[in-house]
Amino acid sequence: GAGVSQTPSNKVTEKGKYVELRCDPISGHTALYWYRQSLGQGPEFLIYFQGTGAADDSGLPNDRFFAVRPEGSVSTLKIQRTERGDSAVYLCASSWTGATEAFFGQGTRLTVV
Amino acid sequence: GIQVEQSPPDLILQEGANSTLRCNFSDSVNNLQWFHQNPWGQLINLFYIPSGTKQNGRLSATTVATERYSLLYISSSQTTDSGVYFCVTGRRALTFGSGTRLQVQP
Repeated sequence: GAGVSQTPSNKVTEKGKYVELRCDPISGHTALYWYRQSLGQGPEFLIYFQGTGAADDSGLPNDRFFAVRPEGSVSTLKIQRTERGDSAVYLCASSWTGATEAFFGQGTRLTVV
Repeated sequence: GIQVEQSPPDLILQEGANSTLRCNFSDSVNNLQWFHQNPWGQLINLFYIPSGTKQNGRLSATTVATERYSLLYISSSQTTDSGVYFCVTGRRALTFGSGTRLQVQP
């Protein structure tokens, strides 16, 4: 596609439920990043993929968070047993390779009630 | 990891004024980007500028990699320039600075 696409744009879920957030990167981009942004804060790094593998997952806050990119294109961020503190905008970005120009999607606003 | 500091944290301008935003980073890098996050949350690419100077309309940016800083210049500011400006860099994972919140008043 022309840009990075994230779905859904908004997600409301109940505390304790499981959610999946999807990211479609720009075609041909091998690097993919997930970030989380809380209100009034800058984006916080979660995980970076190079191809199919997670090159750096040091930002995942705990084992309730997991991300996959099985074919090196689309990525899914999975959150188990959601908590109210998980409420935030989840941003995805892609670039040709690591450390090159990155482009961000419009984000998924997750609200845990 | 790389530390990225931005200044000033907040800036209020009258329409038509000029400003300079600064980004300092703690280690040598081969990439640096400036983004504008608009009031709707969208991160808009302004410049990819690992070194040197680039200009795009009223905006220009300079990165001096050897001295580990980058500057973003906004001239003749407009109300649509309001939002948060982020400097982003990193060798693998991209690290965001804390941002400069700009408010341009009519």
